[in-house]
Amino acid sequence: NAGVMQNPRHLVRRRGQEARLRCSPMKGHSHVYWYRQLPEEGLKFMVYLQKENIIDESGMPKERFSAEFPKEGPSILRIQQVVRGDSAAYFCASSLRVGQGNNEQFFGPGTRLTVL
Amino acid sequence: GNSVTQMEGPVTLSEEAFLTINCTYTATGYPSLFWYVQYPGEGLQLLLKATKADDKGSNKGFEATYRKETTSFHLEKGSVQVSDSAVYFCALSFGNNNDMRFGAGTRLTVKP
Repeated sequence: NAGVMQNPRHLVRRRGQEARLRCSPMKGHSHVYWYRQLPEEGLKFMVYLQKENIIDESGMPKERFSAEFPKEGPSILRIQQVVRGDSAAYFCASSLRVGQGNNEQFFGPGTRLTVL
Repeated sequence: GNSVTQMEGPVTLSEEAFLTINCTYTATGYPSLFWYVQYPGEGLQLLLKATKADDKGSNKGFEATYRKETTSFHLEKGSVQVSDSAVYFCALSFGNNNDMRFGAGTRLTVKP
């Protein structure tokens, strides 16, 4: 059973371009989470999605950032008109179901975004 | 709101030394508590977890006990190895939405 897959692993963009980050959850997992890790900092929650629904986007900037998790295909985190401050590692995690004892999140290897 | 505070690093120890990384939490109710480890260039891996008060999570020689009275979940290991060098994150998960709140991370370096 493959783990959480993220691609690309490294992404370089110039200011003003768009960045699209992909996450394929573990097989059977329908809950996906995106986190951002700035250099030398911890992970900050961005958004929680289930298939075709955004459940909690309280950690996501209101502008330029969007996320989706379509019925078919990977979850996408999209950053429009990137700025240097967007440079970070973006981690995706997935879980099988919510609830006590069943809420372990499995993390992907991350996408390291560098904005020039 | 729900949050986690963990000991600031970096922490540098000699091989076979005793390790403690402090973690305290603030939450309404009773969250599940976790320790994750991040090796250089990799994503986070679950190290151990505890889902209710007085539970002890353990893995690879690491232990942490869920202490409701002190709202703590300190990570300990009796004898660290060079291969334990990594960043350790304390986290809580609470509520039906399952989103996690992470501490800032503690970088551990173990020297031979």
